[in-house]
Amino acid sequence: EIVMTQSPATLSVSPGERATLSCRASQSVSSKLAWYQQKPGQAPRLLIYGASTRATGIPDRFSGSGSGTEFTLTISSLQSEDSAVYYCQQYNNWPWTFGQGTKVEIK
Amino acid sequence: LLVESGGGLVQPGGSLRLSCAASGFTFSTYSMTWVRQAPGKGLEWVSYISSSSSTIYYADSVKGRFTISRDNAKNSLYLQMNSLRAEDTAVYYCARDRGYRDYWGQGTLVSVSS
Repeated sequence: EIVMTQSPATLSVSPGERATLSCRASQSVSSKLAWYQQKPGQAPRLLIYGASTRATGIPDRFSGSGSGTEFTLTISSLQSEDSAVYYCQQYNNWPWTFGQGTKVEIK
Repeated sequence: LLVESGGGLVQPGGSLRLSCAASGFTFSTYSMTWVRQAPGKGLEWVSYISSSSSTIYYADSVKGRFTISRDNAKNSLYLQMNSLRAEDTAVYYCARDRGYRDYWGQGTLVSVSS
């Protein structure tokens, strides 16, 4: 099973600043990497798939990069509504696995 | 749109059947999956079923106890959960599965407690 490790566990960022979240896979997942946003009491929402393709309706302040084992989600200018937990998930090898999540707080 | 139902409080060793009603897309052409989230914890994939039900996978934690199925004529996905344990307590989400999960239901809470 591929282990996905996210860092940091918690990220505190001021509004308008850049937030950078990392996700590392225990072996290569090519570009089969997705990012999700989950706000309290809500279902996860797909942000990014294929490591860098934004899902429908996702603002362009969200961007994804990376391939192989190292991936990054960047929020270019953090808004108050971006406070949430963000998960990465690989879908290259069964079972498709999630990272443990990064909580983004507004400073 | 995906809408789950069937959650509730059940005693250890009991059973529940979750349902997920799909609309707004051609259900029969997509694989589907169940993902759960224990209170205060992260996301855990539970089970996967292909569009024609020809391929089914389970997480080791539920294998032999849970059964996934679908009825394409009714645009519905199911999860039969038997021999429930306290550690199965979670919100259960159904999601459309393209590798990445692009549509999710709102979730249904399953609580296993005596």
